[in-house]
Amino acid sequence: GAVVSQHPSWVICKSGTSVKIECRSLDFQATTMFWYRQFPKQSLMLMATSNEGSKATYEQGVEKDKFLINHASLTLSTLTVTSAHPEDSSFYICSARDLGLGKSSYNEQFFGPGTRLTVL
Amino acid sequence: QKEVEQDPGPLSVPEGAIVSLNCTYSNSAFQYFMWYRQYSRKGPELLMYTYSSGNKEDGRFTAQVDKSSKYISLFIRDSQPSDSATYLCAMSAHSSASKIIFGSGTRLSIRP
Repeated sequence: GAVVSQHPSWVICKSGTSVKIECRSLDFQATTMFWYRQFPKQSLMLMATSNEGSKATYEQGVEKDKFLINHASLTLSTLTVTSAHPEDSSFYICSARDLGLGKSSYNEQFFGPGTRLTVL
Repeated sequence: QKEVEQDPGPLSVPEGAIVSLNCTYSNSAFQYFMWYRQYSRKGPELLMYTYSSGNKEDGRFTAQVDKSSKYISLFIRDSQPSDSATYLCAMSAHSSASKIIFGSGTRLSIRP
């Protein structure tokens, strides 16, 4: 149980176009989903937190108009990179959390396999 | 100063060796300490988590937390080539925290 999928696993796009990445919790309801970005040989940096049915909370320095997050259902969150530029090329990873699956005193996040975005 | 510091490595050891991975942190509010394993081009998977100070063992893996020193460790016994990956320490302040702070990761290679 507790499987999170992402689609696509990799995408190449032209500069100026928009790209949508999907994150799905396959066997549980994700009350909260998180979007991270990871540059080569660097750690995961949290971009935003989204709760189902409400607006996402963005971390400082993350442009909310550029990285659109929608969490319309308990099993799906999407990240749209608008007007992508080469510097947006990165590994985007989502994670999901369900309070119902949390171990005592700790609510584990389950990570997706990531989406590698390359902007030409 | 970063909230979480982790030596990026790379660390290369022979098969069967004991591996020690470490992180230091500066935020005394951290209560939950995790270790994740990430294979190349994959998402991280949780190996172990520990609440507050102490040791926790799971098979060949042992996690240690010393809150007085703000220092955490992961030990891998009888290391195997399949253990070759990047290991990320991570921590959060509260059980329902929305934010986990990750270390930069240590790249580990186990030589057959």
